Amino acid sequence: DGGITQSPKYLFRKEGQNVTLSCEQNLNHDAMYWYRQDPGQGLRLIYYSQIVNDFQKGDIAEGYSVSREKKESFPLTVTSAQKNPTAFYLCASTWGRNNEKLFFGSGTQLSVL
Amino acid sequence: AQTVTQSQPEMSVQEAETVTLSCTYDTSENNYYLFWYKQPPSRQMILVIRQEAYKQQNATENRFSVNFQKAAKSFSLKISDSQLGDTAMYFCLQGGSEKLVFGKGTKLTVNP
Repeated sequence: DGGITQSPKYLFRKEGQNVTLSCEQNLNHDAMYWYRQDPGQGLRLIYYSQIVNDFQKGDIAEGYSVSREKKESFPLTVTSAQKNPTAFYLCASTWGRNNEKLFFGSGTQLSVL
Repeated sequence: AQTVTQSQPEMSVQEAETVTLSCTYDTSENNYYLFWYKQPPSRQMILVIRQEAYKQQNATENRFSVNFQKAAKSFSLKISDSQLGDTAMYFCLQGGSEKLVFGKGTKLTVNP
């Protein structure tokens, strides 16, 4: 079955450390997204990519980096510059010219030790 | 720029009653899609209902229906016969050619 996989489910970061969250899809979707969700809040867009080797900053890109070397993969690195990284991170992929079909991963909870 | 606005941060309803969640959006596109997603405490995103903008008929899925007013750019969700399992965060989303846009969400609590 096709789907979108995020790993790990839980991740812990030490001060000053970079960590990378994985997002993989086998749906042949062109567009992929990363969102951050703080407790009881909505989702804020970090980065998105509509094609391979291209990506755009979202509303809260500072302290994060991404790559899109393969269509299936869109990893997110939370750098040491992100001073408040504790949050739930959600990956999504979409299909269609107008993003008419959506799939979401199950999320990664990142916490600072 | 595309925007999606959910004006009700929190709502509550008694079990078996009906509740309506509001959503307005702003886009210059003519062809787009609108969605309501539910996020329960498990934080998994679950599709509630989907509407194609070029279809005038309002989408329905069992107890869930929408009131889609394209000219007013309004897309409200009606939940009939509310159940305890409907307690969740509800997000309104717009899918267009540029990117996916989320509203800030409405936290719905169904009381027994």
